Amino acid sequence: EPEVTQTPSHQVTQMGQEVILRCVPISNHLYFYWYRQILGQKVEFLVSFYNNEISEKSEIFDDQFSVERPDGSNFTLKIRSTKLEDSAMYFCASSTRGGEKLFFGSGTQLSVL
Amino acid sequence: GQQLNQSPQSMFIQEGEDVSMNCTSSSIFNTWLWYKQEPGEGPVLLIALYKAGELTSNGRLTAQFGITRKDSFLNISASIPSDVGIYFCAGQPFGNEKLTFGTGTRLTIIP
Repeated sequence: EPEVTQTPSHQVTQMGQEVILRCVPISNHLYFYWYRQILGQKVEFLVSFYNNEISEKSEIFDDQFSVERPDGSNFTLKIRSTKLEDSAMYFCASSTRGGEKLFFGSGTQLSVL
Repeated sequence: GQQLNQSPQSMFIQEGEDVSMNCTSSSIFNTWLWYKQEPGEGPVLLIALYKAGELTSNGRLTAQFGITRKDSFLNISASIPSDVGIYFCAGQPFGNEKLTFGTGTRLTIIP
């Protein structure tokens, strides 16, 4: 069964450092997303991406965040200068239609020290 | 912003019992989804609901989309140990791509 894959599974970084989280969405999906989940809390929307541009973003997704689809298979989330409060599990997701039946990856646990 | 409130927050049940949880919102949603999350994993889609009043089953799971499009319930029949996890409802507003997730119901099964 096709799945969304994310790397790395864990990332530890120092505050102020840049991190790039990587995702390979399901191959025939057209919509891509990043969500995050702070420990013990609900899953929160960050950004949606379609047709090589951001289609929607939340207030969490400020200027420190960016997304890119550098080739036909990868979808990345970059945090330019990490803060302690960026520590969370980051989930990539993809779907064939906007907002419907999202399939999630296993996540990248980001720890900012 | 839109919020989805789930109840109960947690459940402790005996194996074999039926489970019922629900989700309510002050806003109307176009699509309603139920996900299950296990520790260290991403949410896994269980059931998707598209029409008001729709009742859909997936094995031992049954979910219904409320007539007002502001609520949904999920039932699990004859629970088994692998049903343990956190169950999230998620709603997609009309004309919007983001999913708003509920607060989650943590299910624990006592052998």
